[in-house]
Amino acid sequence: AQSVSQHNHHVILSEAASLELGCNYSYGGTVNLFWYVQYPGQHLQLLLKYFSGDPLVKGIKGFEAEFIKSKFSFNLRKPSVQWSDTAEYFCAVNALNNDMRFGAGTRLTVKP
Amino acid sequence: GAVVSQHPSRVICKSGTSVKIECRSLDFQATTMFWYRQFPKQSLMLMATSNEGSKATYEQGVEKDKFLINHASLTLSTLTVTSAHPEDSSFYICSARDLAGVLSYNEQFFGPGTRLTVL
Repeated sequence: AQSVSQHNHHVILSEAASLELGCNYSYGGTVNLFWYVQYPGQHLQLLLKYFSGDPLVKGIKGFEAEFIKSKFSFNLRKPSVQWSDTAEYFCAVNALNNDMRFGAGTRLTVKP
Repeated sequence: GAVVSQHPSRVICKSGTSVKIECRSLDFQATTMFWYRQFPKQSLMLMATSNEGSKATYEQGVEKDKFLINHASLTLSTLTVTSAHPEDSSFYICSARDLAGVLSYNEQFFGPGTRLTVL
């Protein structure tokens, strides 16, 4: 079964700093990859997803992620974070017709 | 499109009682629904997968007699926590997947979650 690891448990940045959150997965077959955000007290929202095609995926709110197949990675990036980006970020993976597995999550705190 | 609702959003119950949580896909037919639980400051853990009209598939370590799942229609799945205890207090989240091709294939759409507190 596939598994997902997120390297950073808690990231603290100042506004305007650049962000990169790591995500690696273990599964040898074709996968779909997702990044979700959970703002305090709110439900999961999809930031972006990769199914196929261009490995550089652009999502909402200025986020992007790059799928590097050889590294089994799908890192999330944003060039300049804002205070409103403070949230929990989850990477998720599912193989076709299989269950979705979530990483442990990365808490991002952006200081104003 | 692709809206999933859950009811109730919050529930507080006494130990030993049963609680039912509903998950509905509002504008699409969900061939598969998933139930997750999330403990504070932790990730989502898949509890079970249910396909419409068939028995749910439970993850290892999840008691199927305690967490009863019914997926009787293509738009509704219910999770019943039977004889709830304080350790069952958690945030329960459902998601739905449409494999009919109307929505993104293999993508799951998440409900807002239900916070269960067992006293």
